[in-house]
Amino acid sequence: DAGVIQSPRHEVTEMGQEVTLRCKPISGHNSLFWYRQTMMRGLELLIYFNNNVPIDDSGMPEDRFSAKMPNASFSTLKIQPSEPRDSAVYFCASSQQGDSPLHFGNGTRLTVT
Amino acid sequence: GESVGLHLPTLSVQEGDNSIINCAYSNSASDYFIWYKQESGKGPQFIIDIRSNMDKRQGQRVTVLLNKTVKHLSLQIAATQPGDSAVYFCAEANSGYSTLTFGKGTMLLVSP
Repeated sequence: DAGVIQSPRHEVTEMGQEVTLRCKPISGHNSLFWYRQTMMRGLELLIYFNNNVPIDDSGMPEDRFSAKMPNASFSTLKIQPSEPRDSAVYFCASSQQGDSPLHFGNGTRLTVT
Repeated sequence: GESVGLHLPTLSVQEGDNSIINCAYSNSASDYFIWYKQESGKGPQFIIDIRSNMDKRQGQRVTVLLNKTVKHLSLQIAATQPGDSAVYFCAEANSGYSTLTFGKGTMLLVSP
């Protein structure tokens, strides 16, 4: 099992540019989560999907952030336009629905200058 | 001075010692409690979980204790090894894992 796969591992971009982060969940998992990690705020849930449907996006900071899950094996998190305060590590995680622990990818480190 | 948020609580132990990492949670309605380990440059890795109807659960070299009265969770690591050095997060969840909320984390440093 390859685990949750995220790309890119690192992204450096200038303020105002569009950023797209990608995630491939573990095959067979039907729940997918996007988290953001910073030193100041720790791990914060941004949005999660069940069976490709967004269930709770209350953690998405503002309209500049959007997430999609067009099929069971792929999700994207887009920031447009990006700002320096978006700099963080973004994690994707997946699980089987129900009492199943989350499996995290190794994250995308985003730096917005 | 620097904000507290910039520094993680740190526990330093010698190899072979037992380690205890503590966590206070906030939601008395939480059903599940989970410990994760995060190594540098990696995502959090599941260690062990416990349901609210239990007060102790053991795994391989790890034990989780839950005290619902004072809303306290602890992770005990027996015979700590250098490979255990990482940041450890507790997390609480309600109604399954969809509402998983993470604590701030504790850094464990194990010296040989």
